[in-house]
Amino acid sequence: EVQLAESGGGLVQPGGSLKLSCSASGFAFKNYGIHWVRQAPGKGLEYVSGISNYWRYYAQSVKSRFSISRDNYENMSHLDMRSLRVEDTALYYCVKDSHDPATIAALGPFDSWGRGTLVIVSP
Amino acid sequence: SSELTQPPSVSVSPGQTARITCSGDALPKKTAFWYQQKSGQAPLLVIAEDNKRPSGIPERISASSSGTVATLTISGAQVEDEAAYYCFSADSSDFPLFGGGTKLTVL
Repeated sequence: EVQLAESGGGLVQPGGSLKLSCSASGFAFKNYGIHWVRQAPGKGLEYVSGISNYWRYYAQSVKSRFSISRDNYENMSHLDMRSLRVEDTALYYCVKDSHDPATIAALGPFDSWGRGTLVIVSP
Repeated sequence: SSELTQPPSVSVSPGQTARITCSGDALPKKTAFWYQQKSGQAPLLVIAEDNKRPSGIPERISASSSGTVATLTISGAQVEDEAAYYCFSADSSDFPLFGGGTKLTVL
């Protein structure tokens, strides 16, 4: 069974940093793209960042502040978030792609989602 | 345009057909996937490539696309189909994005 477990969320002040982690199991991690999707309270889904074995991608709203990585030996992905803003407050989901997309144009669909980790940015 | 536009809400009675649209300028060339999110749960993929349903998704859920509009259809909607539905695709620059979501009410 595919499992994705996020951790690292919490309360942080504006301008602060957090590092989210996603621990994966139940599939050959190195063969799949991994993405982060967030959902602000009461709002819709927003694609944040993704990583395959070929590329990394960041939404414009987080570019230069967030950094995504993956460890194919530990079966983990990390999302380093710096210069956090109030508008970054959201539930952050770790998401598995259905394949390892060679280009950003080929990503998806996302066939497994974690339960999310909550990030609150507040003074 | 770098948006995928969905109606905020759709309401049907049980047994009726619900249709949820997703409009985007790049959709003639891009694949749209659909996700269902029930209250308090993580999203669930309901429509994958070529408008196919993943295992376990009921046959009453289907999808189609024509021009700049992708449509999710739930035939004979049931109370358990009540959820938010999101389309996912890309804009003309291949930037991935979600539609704003549609809250389906079945009552």
